[in-house]
Amino acid sequence: DAGVIQSPRHEVTEMGQEVTLRCKPISGHDYLFWYRQTMMRGLELLIYFNNNVPIDDSGMPEDRFSAKMPNASFSTLKIQPSEPRDSAVYFCASRGLSSTDTQYFGPGTRLTVL
Amino acid sequence: SQKIEQNSEALNIQEGKTATLTCNYTNYSPAYLQWYRQDPGRGPVFLLLIRENEKEKRKERLKVTFDTTLKQSLFHITASQPADSATYLCALEPHSGGYQKVTFGTGTKLQVIP
Repeated sequence: DAGVIQSPRHEVTEMGQEVTLRCKPISGHDYLFWYRQTMMRGLELLIYFNNNVPIDDSGMPEDRFSAKMPNASFSTLKIQPSEPRDSAVYFCASRGLSSTDTQYFGPGTRLTVL
Repeated sequence: SQKIEQNSEALNIQEGKTATLTCNYTNYSPAYLQWYRQDPGRGPVFLLLIRENEKEKRKERLKVTFDTTLKQSLFHITASQPADSATYLCALEPHSGGYQKVTFGTGTKLQVIP
């Protein structure tokens, strides 16, 4: 398996623009997670899905953030409108069903909002 | 509120010595504690998982201890090598019930000096 795939790897946009981040989890994994990482706050869980259904979105900072998982092999995280404080590295991770399964992280998308 | 603390200052250690990293937590009753390694520009990579009823876990040159009374985990790398230089994150997962929310510490940067 190629692992968790994220695109784009880097995104530079201007304040107010819509940003869409994409993730393809490892095939067969039941859980998908979106994280944001900054120097100040570390790695924060934004939302996670189980079998394509959003389970906990309490980490989503604002209504400007939304996430979807239309099928088992694809998820998006959208920010609309984007703001400079959204600049961070966004990671997608997936894991299997067992509670002792580990999370496999993608390479991340580095987002810069000017 | 729940808090996970890792030494935010970088740890510099001579090659061949044992590196010891600390993870402390408060207001938390984790079922599992995990350690991840993160290299610059990459996503975290899972290293070890230890359950609440386990005192110690080993994997090659790595050793993790878990003291639920002290609310602390220690992560040891014996015979450290420059290739061990990275940021190490601890992560706690609460008792399940269908709940998969993992909380990460901010990480400790380890530098192994040749």
